[in-house]
Amino acid sequence: EAGVAQSPRYKIIEKRQSVAFWCNPISGHATLYWYQQILGQGPKLLIQFQNNGVVDDSQLPKDRFSAERLKGVDSTLKIQPAKLEDSAVYLCASSLSASGFETQYFGPGTRLLVL
Amino acid sequence: AQKITQTQPGMFVQEKEAVTLDCTYDTSDPSYGLFWYKQPSSGEMIFLIYQGSYDQQNATEGRYSLNFQKARKSANLVISASQLGDSAMYFCAMREGFSGSARQLTFGSGTQLTVLP
Repeated sequence: EAGVAQSPRYKIIEKRQSVAFWCNPISGHATLYWYQQILGQGPKLLIQFQNNGVVDDSQLPKDRFSAERLKGVDSTLKIQPAKLEDSAVYLCASSLSASGFETQYFGPGTRLLVL
Repeated sequence: AQKITQTQPGMFVQEKEAVTLDCTYDTSDPSYGLFWYKQPSSGEMIFLIYQGSYDQQNATEGRYSLNFQKARKSANLVISASQLGDSAMYFCAMREGFSGSARQLTFGSGTQLTVLP
């Protein structure tokens, strides 16, 4: 079974530029998550989708971050414009559902460096 | 207040020995789940083990076991017979509540484990 796919693996941009990350979850997983992991810290949830609907985006900086999951499968996370403090690893995860304590399975992440 | 606390920023263990990674948590919800993940230098978070708050027995998965002490709100990970490939960052995480799809998975700050040959 294929795992969670993410691209690109690495991205370097200058501040005020825009960037987009892509995630394809495990087949059949209804719930998709985007996390931000700053160096030396644990991941922090940015947004959670159930199928193509947003369940939780309370920690998403909506003035610059946006995400969508059209058709309820793959998802895109965008930052526009980027700031220096956005340098982090962006992890995508998926789970079968959001009920109970379904295990979340993570992708390899996208390492973003903002100069 | 921190929901998940991992007090050991770094740990060393000799190959083939056992090691315990500490995790304490804070919640008033009677229903919750505790997870441990491993993050090698490649960056991917690898699920290791899960413990539910109502589970009567400590979870085990191969060389991984979870020492769950509910009254003390601790969920320590025990790795037996350490291998060089176990060198990685380890994160403890918690999710509260049975229902509510918006319940977040909250992570601790992690413990960097180094296995010495």
